[in-house]
Amino acid sequence: DSGVTQTPKHLITATGQRVTLRCSPRSGDLSVYWYQQSLDQGLQFLIHYYNGEERAKGNILERFSAQQFPDLHSELNLSSLELGDSALYFCASSPGTVTGNQPQHFGDGTRLSIL
Amino acid sequence: GIQVEQSPPDLILQEGANSTLRCNFSDSVNNLQWFHQNPWGQLINLFYIPSGTKQNGRLSATTVATERYSLLYISSSQTTDSGVYFCAVNRDDKIIFGKGTRLHILP
Repeated sequence: DSGVTQTPKHLITATGQRVTLRCSPRSGDLSVYWYQQSLDQGLQFLIHYYNGEERAKGNILERFSAQQFPDLHSELNLSSLELGDSALYFCASSPGTVTGNQPQHFGDGTRLSIL
Repeated sequence: GIQVEQSPPDLILQEGANSTLRCNFSDSVNNLQWFHQNPWGQLINLFYIPSGTKQNGRLSATTVATERYSLLYISSSQTTDSGVYFCAVNRDDKIIFGKGTRLHILP
């Protein structure tokens, strides 16, 4: 058990809809990262938050947004969903430096299926 | 942007064999990590190794940052080692993954 909790585990929805994925980091970790894993794109870094502030953006679409709350949990919001958004979405956390230069521990992921 | 290449893409071994997985990266990086994704999809951090050598049981890793590569060694393979092994580098706060090496350990 990594200590990182992601909910829900599975999500099935339709094109055009909006969903919210939730991540609770390990106790004491200040950094939260979001990743997308799809068959065609592999593992891609989406965004990194450190202590409530956005630190780095990767290949995150404009239809996607994220935030980290004062209690350090994070949410990833996906809107105007398309078939290509079907993927496994991982959250990871680390104790946290601003640069994120520490080992990351992953949640079990949320599998999103768009019908 | 920085490129991360892993080799081989696939590896099939008999239980008890040893293996070496390689990760090459095209530019200097702040850190490098190795992960194992098991057949159930869980990602497990194996090593955080920006440079030098580390060992953890049957697994060890070496990163030569000046030559831009890292190696993951698995000795006396077990069927539970099956899965995909990823390396990921951190450069300018962005994390880039390689495409992974898929390892099959046959009983």
